[in-house]
Amino acid sequence: EAGVTQFPSHSVIEKGQTVTLRCDPISGHDNLYWYRRVMGKEIKFLLHFVKESKQDESGMPNNRFLAERTGGTYSTLKVQPAELEDSGVYFCASSHRGLNTEAFFGQGTRLTVV
Amino acid sequence: AQSVAQPEDQVNVAEGNPLTVKCTYSVSGNPYLFWYVQYPNRGLQFLLKYITGDNLVKGSYGFEAEFNKSQTSFHLKKPSALVSDSALYFCAVRVHDKIIFGKGTRLHILP
Repeated sequence: EAGVTQFPSHSVIEKGQTVTLRCDPISGHDNLYWYRRVMGKEIKFLLHFVKESKQDESGMPNNRFLAERTGGTYSTLKVQPAELEDSGVYFCASSHRGLNTEAFFGQGTRLTVV
Repeated sequence: AQSVAQPEDQVNVAEGNPLTVKCTYSVSGNPYLFWYVQYPNRGLQFLLKYITGDNLVKGSYGFEAEFNKSQTSFHLKKPSALVSDSALYFCAVRVHDKIIFGKGTRLHILP
């Protein structure tokens, strides 16, 4: 069974540019999460999809961030325009529904804004 | 507020010695607790979870964790550390289907 995959693995962009991150969850997982870790700090929750619906987007930093999950399969996270403080590692995770289920994580996308 | 605390930024242990990585939590209701590990240039890997039942939970790579309700703790343990256990460890709690992480503890196993 394929795990959670993220693309690209690394991205270096200039301030003001746009970047789109993609996450392919494990097939059959309704829950999809986006997290971000800035160097040396905690893993911060960004948002949570259940199928194609945004269940909780309380962690999204501002309106420069837009996440979608059309059709309830893969998800994209777009940053437009990117700022220096957006740099970090963006993780995607998926899980079955239920509080007792563990989430499976992708390898992350390392975003560097210069 | 729901939260997870990992009081140690780094833990150093000699190879072959027992290791403990500490975690405390603050949640309302029953806690669903997890440990994840991150090796260099890799994503987070699930190690083990506590849902209900026995307070001692066994997981991958010989790790185990002890749930202590009175102390609101879920410390990660291993009887004999390996150099290959060196990595970043995250404690997490599931709250309303959202997973909240601690800030992580870097574990160094010294040969």
